[in-house]
Amino acid sequence: DVKVTQSSRYLVKRTGEKVFLECVQDMDHENMFWYRQDPGLGLRLIYFSYDVKMKEKGDIPEGYSVSREKKERFSLILESASTNQTSMYLCASSFARTGGPDTQYFGPGTRLTVL
Amino acid sequence: GDSVTQMEGPVTLSEEAFLTINCTYTATGYPSLFWYVQYPGEGLQLLLKATKADDKGSNKGFEATYRKETTSFHLEKGSVQVSDSAVYFCAYSQGGSEKLVFGKGTKLTVNP
Repeated sequence: DVKVTQSSRYLVKRTGEKVFLECVQDMDHENMFWYRQDPGLGLRLIYFSYDVKMKEKGDIPEGYSVSREKKERFSLILESASTNQTSMYLCASSFARTGGPDTQYFGPGTRLTVL
Repeated sequence: GDSVTQMEGPVTLSEEAFLTINCTYTATGYPSLFWYVQYPGEGLQLLLKATKADDKGSNKGFEATYRKETTSFHLEKGSVQVSDSAVYFCAYSQGGSEKLVFGKGTKLTVNP
């Protein structure tokens, strides 16, 4: 069974803290994604990785960085958390194939609150 | 720029009612189109998809037809159940890209 796991379901941090959100997939997918989900705004892509050590900025990368040292793991890093980064963070993964996107499989999400 | 627009929610229906959630896109060429569903407390999961004009995607009683002439991909179900209560997202991918662009989501509540 396909599985994408995220390290925490709920996280509370203070302004200025460095925050790590971890995502692991067990499907040998090449592609991994980080989104944030906010009411009225839907899902917005933060970063995308198409291979180990490869990354591409999404629509809202400011204030975030990512790391992909192993194929199965994709980390989202908030270098200095701010209150406007309070949100639901969703990780997803998919196979890479030519001719169009494959199904993205999502983790359950991490609800981050920055105080 | 390219975007996807879906009807605003929330939508509240009684069990066995007919459901339509509208979705239109603005993109050149022939994007692939998707509907994802998010049940309470879970991540998103693919509901159905269509990759070329006139394709019909279907799953769990839901259907959507890729209409190139109207740039639409409306989601329909003939008889909803309480278990269909969720948030539904329309999405598209342009030009073979691995990335998806999502609509804002439509929350559906089905009452018994």
